[in-house]
Amino acid sequence: QSALTQPASVSGSPGQSITISCTGTSSDVGGDNYVSWYQQHPGKAPKLMIYDVSNRPSGVSNRFSDSKSGNTASLTISGLQAEDEADYYCSSYTSSRTLVFGGGTKLTVL
Amino acid sequence: QLQLQESGPGLVKPSETLSLTCTVSGGSISSSSYYWGWIRQPPGKGLEWIGSSHYSGSTHYNPSLKSRVTISVDTSKTQFSLKLSSVTAADTAVYYCASIGRGSGWIYYYMDVWGKGTTVTVSS
Repeated sequence: QSALTQPASVSGSPGQSITISCTGTSSDVGGDNYVSWYQQHPGKAPKLMIYDVSNRPSGVSNRFSDSKSGNTASLTISGLQAEDEADYYCSSYTSSRTLVFGGGTKLTVL
Repeated sequence: QLQLQESGPGLVKPSETLSLTCTVSGGSISSSSYYWGWIRQPPGKGLEWIGSSHYSGSTHYNPSLKSRVTISVDTSKTQFSLKLSSVTAADTAVYYCASIGRGSGWIYYYMDVWGKGTTVTVSS
């Protein structure tokens, strides 16, 4: 299985909104709504940010939201804050009953 | 509150078998609400899903690793384990264990609780 495609890097200024895309195929992202998003700060374990179409675990800010169109899912962070600077990964369930991650996107807050 | 902790050797020789254990606390490893999974991250690279197992014995593996991987759940010890055979330097990574939750569609797919990770180096 091939990794999902994410931009290597995105950047934004505090207060702005940014969007990170995650492109797959009809066998994963384009299938049912089984995409999840993770935040990883340097040297730390990943943290679940979104699942089940904009469901956020307790404690995750409502500034994080997601959407999907065809084979592309997107994570939007609004009101960008310095603490949002991190690596972000998407993941999708596949029709082969496996999981696949995106290559990761480094978010820089300018 | 569910917590996971990885343990195992930090150094493994090439061609040998990497063995890691994840201890689950604060919840039941026999819960139908979770699969139990392993994910790895080579130095400076992205995340790679290795595989997942349910306490019932159901398992799913990354096709690229399937021939070398075994994941099993030990309900008596509230632990699940990873075995990766015939390792090479390419298997050097931080290895994470995670609980895999069930979404509204009854598909297990999101990793909601993670261990802190353990670094495994493959070298002679």
